[in-house]
Amino acid sequence: AQTVTQSQPEMSVQEAETVTLSCTYDTSESNYYLFWYKQPPSRQMILVIRQEAYKQQNATENRFSVNFQKAAKSFSLKISDSQLGDTAMYFCAFMKPNGAGSYQLTFGKGTKLSVIP
Amino acid sequence: DVKVTQSSRYLVKRTGEKVFLECVQDMDHENMFWYRQDPGLGLRLIYFSYDVKMKEKGDIPEGYSVSREKKERFSLILESASTNQTSMYLCASSSRLAGGYNEQFFGPGTRLTVL
Repeated sequence: AQTVTQSQPEMSVQEAETVTLSCTYDTSESNYYLFWYKQPPSRQMILVIRQEAYKQQNATENRFSVNFQKAAKSFSLKISDSQLGDTAMYFCAFMKPNGAGSYQLTFGKGTKLSVIP
Repeated sequence: DVKVTQSSRYLVKRTGEKVFLECVQDMDHENMFWYRQDPGLGLRLIYFSYDVKMKEKGDIPEGYSVSREKKERFSLILESASTNQTSMYLCASSSRLAGGYNEQFFGPGTRLTVL
């Protein structure tokens, strides 16, 4: 079974600064996907960024980028130029395609990020 | 845009009551999921379905059942609610694309309190 570990339950960052959220995972699979999801207070969970394990290039989406270290099984999220709207719970998630095509996600316990004005 | 809706944002029930949580998606997705979210525990998968009338147990199925009679609707049932089922319940859906990832789209959640 896969496990996902987020070692930082809570973090804070000053507005306009950069912050990095950590995530490690454990798997014996070679083909998988990794995701960061964001859950703002009282709002729906949305996908922030995704990474395919077979791609060496780190994914980037505007101010969000990842540092994917496959050998170390590490998948950290960097948020640049932090904004007040980035305040949210962030979940790291692992997906391994299975034969039925249902593509289950395994989530970490989350990191609560607060952006301070 | 994909839309996943859940029947209630907040629900208060009594111990022993039968509880139905409904989820509807409008993007013709094959896969649907029910998660439970608790502070410090993240999201845990209760049940999922990859087709109409098909269901698979997730990590914590005890005390729950599901029903999927139509493709767009996935119901979570608590046969006899207990206080330890007080939680936030999230529904999600995704398409089943061969050879690729499947982004899961989430509903707004139902915060269930069992007294």
